[in-house]
Amino acid sequence: GENVEQHPSTLSVQEGDSAVIKCTYSDSASNYFPWYKQELGKRPQLIIDIRSNVGEKKDQRIAVTLNKTAKHFSLHITETQPEDSAVYFCAAGYSTLTFGKGTMLLVSP
Amino acid sequence: SAVISQKPSRDICQRGTSLTIQCQVDSQVTMMFWYRQQPGQSLTLIATANQGSEATYESGFVIDKFPISRPNLTFSTLTVSNMSPEDSSIYLCSALDRMNTEAFFGQGTRLTVV
Repeated sequence: GENVEQHPSTLSVQEGDSAVIKCTYSDSASNYFPWYKQELGKRPQLIIDIRSNVGEKKDQRIAVTLNKTAKHFSLHITETQPEDSAVYFCAAGYSTLTFGKGTMLLVSP
Repeated sequence: SAVISQKPSRDICQRGTSLTIQCQVDSQVTMMFWYRQQPGQSLTLIATANQGSEATYESGFVIDKFPISRPNLTFSTLTVSNMSPEDSSIYLCSALDRMNTEAFFGQGTRLTVV
C-alpha cells in the first residue's frame, strides 16, 4: 500500500517568513495530493490540492509543487502569519488517502 | 463544498459497551470513509463505507470490532464495539464530493473509554 513520509515534524518561523513542508510517497498509482490544516480541536480543512497532471498550483500565499518522477510534493506558505499556526497534513492516493504524520507549524509574531 | 454533520461530538463510555457514531452529508457523495486520530497523531483510515454492501477495511481493522453501515449516498454509521480504553480516540467521518475533487471531514467524535 501507499506510504507517505512528511518532514519536518515541527517548524518554527517568524511572521513574514516562508515555510516549506515536504512529503514523499511510494505508490506511483497515486494521483491526488491534498494538504490539510488542522487547528487544535478542529477537523482537518483542505487548503490546497494537486493532481498528477499538474506540476504546481498556487492560491494566494499557498502553493504546492509535485514531482511525480521523484514521488515528492511540497507545501509552500509565503508571508506567514500567526493564524497560519496549526498542524499540516499531506496525503496521497487515488480512491483512498494515506496521510503523513503531520507538521506542527508555529509562526511567531 | 458539502457539509458533514457528525454526532455525537464526544462521549465517555464504559468498557465493554458499544457506541455508534453517525455521519450525515448534506449532498450525495461518491465515497465515505472513517478515520481514527489519536491525540497529537495523524489520521489512520479504518475503512471505506460502501453503499449497500460491506465496508472495505484496512489492515488492522475488522468488521466485528468496527461494524459500518451506509444505507444510502448521504449517511453512514460507525460502531465501536466492546470498547476498551485503547479505543479512546477521535473518530472522523470523511467523504469525497460528487466530482471526486475534494475530501472533506466531519467535526469528529472524541471518545473516551473508562
